[in-house]
Amino acid sequence: DAGITQSPRHKVTETGTPVTLRCHQTENHRYMYWYRQDPGHGLRLIHYSYGVKDTDKGEVSDGYSVSRSKTEDFLLTLESATSSQTSVYFCAISVALAGDYEQYFGPGTRLTVT
Amino acid sequence: GENVEQHPSTLSVQEGDSAVIKCTYSDSASNYFPWYKQELGKRPQLIIDIRSNVGEKKDQRIAVTLNKTAKHFSLHITETQPEDSAVYFCAASINTGGFKTIFGAGTRLFVKA
Repeated sequence: DAGITQSPRHKVTETGTPVTLRCHQTENHRYMYWYRQDPGHGLRLIHYSYGVKDTDKGEVSDGYSVSRSKTEDFLLTLESATSSQTSVYFCAISVALAGDYEQYFGPGTRLTVT
Repeated sequence: GENVEQHPSTLSVQEGDSAVIKCTYSDSASNYFPWYKQELGKRPQLIIDIRSNVGEKKDQRIAVTLNKTAKHFSLHITETQPEDSAVYFCAASINTGGFKTIFGAGTRLFVKA
């Protein structure tokens, strides 16, 4: 599982409330990502990080912010959750292998916004 | 930006038959093409990948082919088994750390015993 954990694994929250999802890795990988997965859309990148305090937007970043104050933790925050943010959220890391990178995913967080 | 299209969205085969899933990409700079398998309620798992300097790669019952000129790549599963039933995702990436990875919408494969 490449040493990736996510918390919480399930969450139900109300519209308008803030929500923070945590991704934790134990192997000091530089690159970390947040994706959301919705039926018919595959996996879409929300934000990614290429080091401590170095983050950038992905293809669906509106309504989300991220922070990475330590190598091992990458936090995804929904400032004011909306029903359209109901989804399964996956964290991922890139592992450098023989000069290339392979991406591995965490177990996922199922978020429901009511 | 990059766009990845994947077909078919659903595929049903008889156990022992072959299954083929096809993807096309738009950005000629993409140089890394991973395939993921996702079982119900689980995380996507990397099953095979191919890089742009290779035309074909095989690992036991699965193989991937890449046609850079046509910008398409395919996953082939031979001698399918019920445990191959899952959703498969293709992706295209510029392999500088992976953050430019774009995924296809997925193919749900059913293998009937």
